[in-house]
Amino acid sequence: EAQVTQNPRYLITVTGKKLTVTCSQNMNHEYMSWYRQDPGLGLRQIYYSMNVEVTDKGDVPEGYKVSRKEKRNFPLILESPSPNQTSLYFCASSSALRYTEAFFGQGTRLTVV
Amino acid sequence: LAKTTQPISMDSYEGQEVNITCSHNNIATNDYITWYQQFPSQGPRFIIQGYKTKVTNEVASLFIPADRKSSTLSLPRVSLSDTAVYYCLVGDEEGNTPLVFGKGTRLSVIA
Repeated sequence: EAQVTQNPRYLITVTGKKLTVTCSQNMNHEYMSWYRQDPGLGLRQIYYSMNVEVTDKGDVPEGYKVSRKEKRNFPLILESPSPNQTSLYFCASSSALRYTEAFFGQGTRLTVV
Repeated sequence: LAKTTQPISMDSYEGQEVNITCSHNNIATNDYITWYQQFPSQGPRFIIQGYKTKVTNEVASLFIPADRKSSTLSLPRVSLSDTAVYYCLVGDEEGNTPLVFGKGTRLSVIA
């Protein structure tokens, strides 16, 4: 089954404690991206990757890091989380940035206290 | 990157046809128009995509006028389960622009 898998689904952490949210896809997609969603602000893109070892900043990259060492994985790293990073995060993948059928993960609800 | 404008929210009764219009005045020649649906706490889901005229699938229809400066997503006979946020995206089918979502249109279907 084609899918994008994020882990964990829920996470509560403390300010400053480094964390990683994993994202994995099984569709051999070139393009992967991370979004955060906050009430009233819609989906905002954090980072995206067009292929292995190629990443670019989205609209709100501050405070986040990503890496794309393998095609299937695109982890989101928060080196020093702060309360303003409390949000719902989504990972997505699609074929070569095409606008057809981007697939999204189930979401990760992160709370930073 | 073509900017899109949609209504913030819409209300409809069950069984009615709902039309959500998206404005994209600076759409480029190579750009396609794509719509996604998002339920609360879930990731967006692809609904339909088109380039010009009309596209129809089992879920919705997409109407695009000749100048392509706007598009209309049509949902026939909505039900309560169609309550969701609908996003209009415009981008290059070859993948030269990232997948950027706006705030979408929040559709509320009332019994």
